[in-house]
Amino acid sequence: GAVVSQHPSRVICKSGTSVKIECRSLDFQATTMFWYRQFPKQSLMLMATSNEGSKATYEQGVEKDKFLINHASLTLSTLTVTSAHPEDSSFYICSAYTGAHIYGYTFGSGTRLTVV
Amino acid sequence: QKEVEQDPGPLSVPEGAIVSLNCTYSNSAFQYFMWYRQYSRKGPELLMYTYSSGNKEDGRFTAQVDKSSKYISLFIRDSQPSDSATYLCAIGSTGNQFYFGTGTSLTVIP
Repeated sequence: GAVVSQHPSRVICKSGTSVKIECRSLDFQATTMFWYRQFPKQSLMLMATSNEGSKATYEQGVEKDKFLINHASLTLSTLTVTSAHPEDSSFYICSAYTGAHIYGYTFGSGTRLTVV
Repeated sequence: QKEVEQDPGPLSVPEGAIVSLNCTYSNSAFQYFMWYRQYSRKGPELLMYTYSSGNKEDGRFTAQVDKSSKYISLFIRDSQPSDSATYLCAIGSTGNQFYFGTGTSLTVIP
């Protein structure tokens, strides 16, 4: 149990376009999901906390107009990278707290975004 | 002071060695402790979960929590090349506020 599905796993887009990444909790309801960014050989950096039915909470230094987060249901959160630029190329990972400590945070498999 | 500190390594050991990975934390109220393993270009996966102090064993893996020292460890016995990955600790209290360590990169050499 406690599976988070993230799509797409890899995406290449042109500079200036927008990319949407989906994060779904498959067998549990997640009122809160988290979006991370990870550069090569670095740890996870929390970008924002996504709350179902309300606005996301962004970490300091993260542009909320560039990284649009929508958490429309208890099982789906989306991250849209708007007007992507090469410096947005990174590994994006979502996670959700399952509500059961034995499972803790469950992570998606990540999305490798390359902006050319 | 960071909530959680973890030595980033990298750590390189020969196959069969015992590996010790560690994290320290600052808030004595923390009582949930997790270890995640992340292979390259993959999302982290939960490896071990412990609550409060003590040891927990799962196969070749042992998680240890010392709340008096605010120190947690993950031991890997008989390490295998397939254990090569980045290991992250996550520590928190009730609810869903957890803090992650920076991760320790481990390479097990055949």
